[in-house]
Amino acid sequence: DAKTTQPNSMESNEEEPVHLPCNHSTISGTDYIHWYRQLPSQGPEYVIHGLTSNVNNRMASLAIAEDRKSSTLILHRATLRDAAVYYCILRDELDSGAGSYQLTFGKGTKLSVIP
Amino acid sequence: AAGVIQSPRHLIKEKRETATLKCYPIPRHDTVYWYQQGPGQDPQFLISFYEKMQSDKGSIPDRFSAQQFSDYHSELNMSSLELGDSALYFCASSSAQGARYGYTFGSGTRLTVV
Repeated sequence: DAKTTQPNSMESNEEEPVHLPCNHSTISGTDYIHWYRQLPSQGPEYVIHGLTSNVNNRMASLAIAEDRKSSTLILHRATLRDAAVYYCILRDELDSGAGSYQLTFGKGTKLSVIP
Repeated sequence: AAGVIQSPRHLIKEKRETATLKCYPIPRHDTVYWYQQGPGQDPQFLISFYEKMQSDKGSIPDRFSAQQFSDYHSELNMSSLELGDSALYFCASSSAQGARYGYTFGSGTRLTVV
């Protein structure tokens, strides 16, 4: 899977929007962009994913650059419960063969939310 | 909605003992993945199973083994435990099209080796 680059940490004030960037300049045409987050002492939690078009769900929005070399996870109003490590992961739907679809975690962004 | 169930939540073992961790995937998910997360580390992929067959292997030590059963639950068997095996162990499940539809993780088993 192609690699991603994220800032080590970011801070946000509570109730304000947060834009978490991710660079993936070597992304292939069949790579899905996944975002997961991990709260302290919990398992990773799915946030959102997309291929080419921007995506919205109840948790967040995913803005994907036209050339797909970068994306941004948008939390519209940060709450204290959003403090977590956010991982941007590329996952090739055509990789390796049946069942070989594990996510490979890199260094995510630790988001701190200030009350 | 049913989630991925892992048991036990916490486990304390002594060096050189064995441990068995269990994972029950979401119904109709046919693929299970095991991850290890040491203190301050990111989750590292250990092994995965698709339709009860091992599908991929990551950084799993030879002392560890795993299998997926006919009901799709999976067990991670760890022998000759070492202090460095102390970690959070997560299980995740997906349909075979995980890349398209996402993955669901369990809450993890915290293993402490003393």
